Amino acid sequence: KAGVTQTPRYLIKTRGQQVTLSCSPISGHRSVSWYQQTPGQGLQFLFEYFSETQRNKGNFPGRFSGRQFSNSRSEMNVSTLELGDSALYLCASSLFGQGRQETQYFGPGTRLLVL
Amino acid sequence: EDKVVQSPLSLVVHEGDTVTLNCSYEVTNFRSLLWYKQEKKAPTFLFMLTSSGIEKKSGRLSSILDKKELFSILNITATQTGDSAVYLCAVDLLYNQGGKLIFGQGTELSVKP
Repeated sequence: KAGVTQTPRYLIKTRGQQVTLSCSPISGHRSVSWYQQTPGQGLQFLFEYFSETQRNKGNFPGRFSGRQFSNSRSEMNVSTLELGDSALYLCASSLFGQGRQETQYFGPGTRLLVL
Repeated sequence: EDKVVQSPLSLVVHEGDTVTLNCSYEVTNFRSLLWYKQEKKAPTFLFMLTSSGIEKKSGRLSSILDKKELFSILNITATQTGDSAVYLCAVDLLYNQGGKLIFGQGTELSVKP
């Protein structure tokens, strides 16, 4: 079974631009979660999607948004990029979602650099 | 505020040593505790712990959870250079009918030959 895939793997943007990242979960998995990883803050939860609905959201500003499609693929969008948005963005998938005591499997991440 | 704290933050050992990594937590609506290994790429799953006192084991790695004292440990015996990585502890919380993972800062383990 193919793992979680994320595109693009690397991205360079400038302040003020917007960016869209994509995540394809493991086949059959319906829950997709997004995380931001930085050296200072570690891994932080952004949001979780299940059946095309955002079910949970972390403490990030409204510039961070996402969506999920009927095939469970998910996209994350960051508008008006700031230097502090430079990070590794990871997505993780699971069958039904975190509330069911199941394992989340992570993708390779998208490394975003904002100049 | 929910929080997960790992210690030590970094550790340098020699091949063959045994290491113990610690994870303590203060959260509401605990569902499970997970350990991941991260080597410059995506975190890879190691263990999921839901019950106190039951050791999970995989090769040279083992882990146990204490839900009364709110901590978990990850043991690695006979360490090898390939064990060098950041080890992440995360707590899965029941949240809005779904959940979310709260991660600790990670322990960076370096195993020298």
